[in-house]
Amino acid sequence: GAVVSQHPSRVICKSGTSVKIECRSLDFQATTMFWYRQFPKQSLMLMATSNEGSKATYEQGVEKDKFLINHASLTLSTLTVTSAHPEDSSFYICSASKTGYPEAFFGQGTRLTVV
Amino acid sequence: RKEVEQDPGPFNVPEGATVAFNCTYSNSASQSFFWYRQDCRKEPKLLMSVYSSGNEDGRFTAQLNRASQYISLLIRDSKLSDSATYLCVVKSANTGNQFYFGTGTSLTVIP
Repeated sequence: GAVVSQHPSRVICKSGTSVKIECRSLDFQATTMFWYRQFPKQSLMLMATSNEGSKATYEQGVEKDKFLINHASLTLSTLTVTSAHPEDSSFYICSASKTGYPEAFFGQGTRLTVV
Repeated sequence: RKEVEQDPGPFNVPEGATVAFNCTYSNSASQSFFWYRQDCRKEPKLLMSVYSSGNEDGRFTAQLNRASQYISLLIRDSKLSDSATYLCVVKSANTGNQFYFGTGTSLTVIP
């Protein structure tokens, strides 16, 4: 298998502030990582594909200036929620694929609450 | 049309029952298929991959019908610990190896 670590697991922030979420592949190199958002009782929705050394690819309807993604190394991708609003409160999860394994490996998720 | 469609349930079954979940996918070029389990407020975890010939892992049996673009999961002798949401997941090479998730099917096993 593979280990993907996401931090923090839970964060509460004030409206208007920014929050950074980290996703690390601990035992493998990940050229591509994916960021998802999940609202209660809904499925995971892909927000963006994070590519090491290049710009992220955002899904339609996801504001790239609001959800900043940086994939500066082969083991770390970060998602920064800028100027957070209460409607950004959600469960954010990253995943990565490992060569030789067809399945996706997920981080533990980050529960963001904006007050 | 959604890439992956699942009946959201909920399914409430007694302990020991057999329950089946179904899933359909729209991209005929999809190549990899999975069932993930997600507990409340947790990340999804791989339950099993789904192979064309069908595969079994203990009480769990997964089947794939490529002609009908249909995937199923059968759980026999349900346990209380099987209560979770089961996600049907499809990966397609012609869309950059993206993973597409169904909405999930909620299962509650009742004592």
